[in-house]
Amino acid sequence: QVQLVQSGAEVKTPGASVKISCKASGYTFSSFALHWVRQAPGQGPEWMGWINLGKGRTEYSQNFQGRVTFSGDTSASTAYMELTSLTSEDTAVYYCARDKVYWELYQFAYWGQGTLVTVSS
Amino acid sequence: DIQMTQSPSALSASMGDRVTITCRASQSIDRWLAWYQQKPGKAPKLLIQKASTLESGVPSRFSGSGSGTEFTLSISSLQPDDFATYYCQQYSYFSTFGQGTKLKIK
Repeated sequence: QVQLVQSGAEVKTPGASVKISCKASGYTFSSFALHWVRQAPGQGPEWMGWINLGKGRTEYSQNFQGRVTFSGDTSASTAYMELTSLTSEDTAVYYCARDKVYWELYQFAYWGQGTLVTVSS
Repeated sequence: DIQMTQSPSALSASMGDRVTITCRASQSIDRWLAWYQQKPGKAPKLLIQKASTLESGVPSRFSGSGSGTEFTLSISSLQPDDFATYYCQQYSYFSTFGQGTKLKIK
């Protein structure tokens, strides 16, 4: 079965960077895009972008352009999301998510367990 | 960006009630709309995609309708497991979620 397992919670100071991992199993990792979605406390989810390591492509939301980088290691079936110049407004749970089918993007049928990032001085 | 507006933001209902949640898009998204259910501390769960297609395993008391800019999620005969927060999501142009509707027990 499809599983996405994320790295643990992080506490960062303002101005720092954070890098979160998402290890996939149960499917052919390079066949699907992997999305990153964050959810601030009490807010709706916010899509950050996606990476497709099999096609060597990324797409970033304009809201994070220049501040976020997606990468990955196909041999380890692991994707990474790095967010820089953190502020308190980046405090959120960050999720990786996979599409239901590889030919239709943005139907998030599979989710990681989430990684809480707290930004505080 | 396409903005998604849900109403109401919170809703109190009793077991067995029928409830309807509305989602409006700031521009036409055809039928590129999904609904998710989220419980505290958990990731969202995909319930409906393409406005009205129920995901496998989702009870038939859930239904979705609409196209263009106005959509609804209905739950007939509320069950204890249905009390949660619901989000709509457009995926006509990238992806945007609504702010959520919290369904509470009356």
